Amino acid sequence: EAGVAQSPRYKIIEKRQSVAFWCNPISGHATLYWYQQILGQGPKLLIQFQNNGVVDDSQLPKDRFSAERLKGVDSTLKIQPAKLEDSAVYLCASSLDRFYEQYFGPGTRLTVT
Amino acid sequence: DAKTTQPTSMDCAEGRAANLPCNHSTISGNEYVYWYRQIHSQGPQYIIHGLKNNETNEMASLIITEDRKSSTLILPHATLRDTAVYYCIVRGGNAGNMLTFGGGTRLMVKP
Repeated sequence: EAGVAQSPRYKIIEKRQSVAFWCNPISGHATLYWYQQILGQGPKLLIQFQNNGVVDDSQLPKDRFSAERLKGVDSTLKIQPAKLEDSAVYLCASSLDRFYEQYFGPGTRLTVT
Repeated sequence: DAKTTQPTSMDCAEGRAANLPCNHSTISGNEYVYWYRQIHSQGPQYIIHGLKNNETNEMASLIITEDRKSSTLILPHATLRDTAVYYCIVRGGNAGNMLTFGGGTRLMVKP
């Protein structure tokens, strides 16, 4: 079974630029999550989708971050404009449904200079 | 929300059992204990979860105390590849379906 795919794996941008990350979850998984992991910390949930609807985005900085899940499958997370403090690894995870175990992708390491 | 407390770091000799403790004294009756680990430069990996009974799978065993206030993850024969950060998380019930990661335990398996 193919795992969660993410791209790009690495991205370096200057502050105030925009960036987008892509995630393809495991086939058939209804629930998709985006996490932010700052160096030395555990992952922090940004947003949770159930199919193509948002379940929880309370931790998403909505003034600069946006996310969508097209047709309930792939998802993109965008940052515009980026700040230095957005430097982190952005992890995508999916699960069969909301209370099942989550499977994580390899993450995208973002460096904002 | 039920919170968890784990030691910051632990060492284990290769081939020996690694016992990773976790305290969750405020856990509610309908909340599960989940364990994930994160190997360097990878995403977290699900290991095991349990409610009140001990659980075992191909990766590890989970021992939950009778009062459910603490648990221990056991890796029976640790290898160098088990070097990772291990996260104990309370999930479900009043905690919702979210995974709230703390600092975890950094396990170093040494030859």
